[in-house]
Amino acid sequence: GQQVMQIPQYQHVQEGEDFTTYCNSSTTLSNIQWYKQRPGGHPVFLIQLVKSGEVKKQKRLTFQFGEAKKNSSLHITATQTTDVGTYFCAPTSGGSYIPTFGRGTSLIVHP
Amino acid sequence: DADVTQTPRNRITKTGKRIMLECSQTKGHDRMYWYRQDPGLGLRLIYYSFDVKDINKGEISDGYSVSRQAQAKFSLSLESAIPNQTALYFCATSVGGLRNQPQHFGDGTRLSIL
Repeated sequence: GQQVMQIPQYQHVQEGEDFTTYCNSSTTLSNIQWYKQRPGGHPVFLIQLVKSGEVKKQKRLTFQFGEAKKNSSLHITATQTTDVGTYFCAPTSGGSYIPTFGRGTSLIVHP
Repeated sequence: DADVTQTPRNRITKTGKRIMLECSQTKGHDRMYWYRQDPGLGLRLIYYSFDVKDINKGEISDGYSVSRQAQAKFSLSLESAIPNQTALYFCATSVGGLRNQPQHFGDGTRLSIL
């Protein structure tokens, strides 16, 4: 089945520093979704990327889809304590409608 | 999402017991999913259903079964619970269609098997 690696597993930052998580696949992806799960909460959909090289922004969050559609990244500028949580990528490939969730990157922001 | 309701929220039970986790939704979505979350392992798909007559195995279906009684309800059963099924379980829904759609998750059921 589709294999996706998400790195790093954990990231500690000081408030105000930037943060990036990466999602890498060995196969070409059809599209990729990103979710955020706050501590004690449930995953919440953030965005979906479909096109090669696509870049989307949501305030301080920038999402990118690689040109070869085998990787994606989420970058947060000037982190805040409200950014704390685990960020999951969830790509699909082939004709599947079911995403495969990465293991997630847990972001810890120190005030 | 309050529109996706899971019951119970917490459950402690003993090895060998039969357990049912319920999920109901008021979003009118056709597709429903059951996931299991373990620390460091992300979300793993157990079963999914695209409509009332459709049941599909996911990545880790062994030891589990599901029932889609109606569009709004999707229940997960553990026929004979074992300790390594201790985990956080999430139900999710999405609209139908030709492409992958965002999933909407319930608040989860924390299950402990002693």
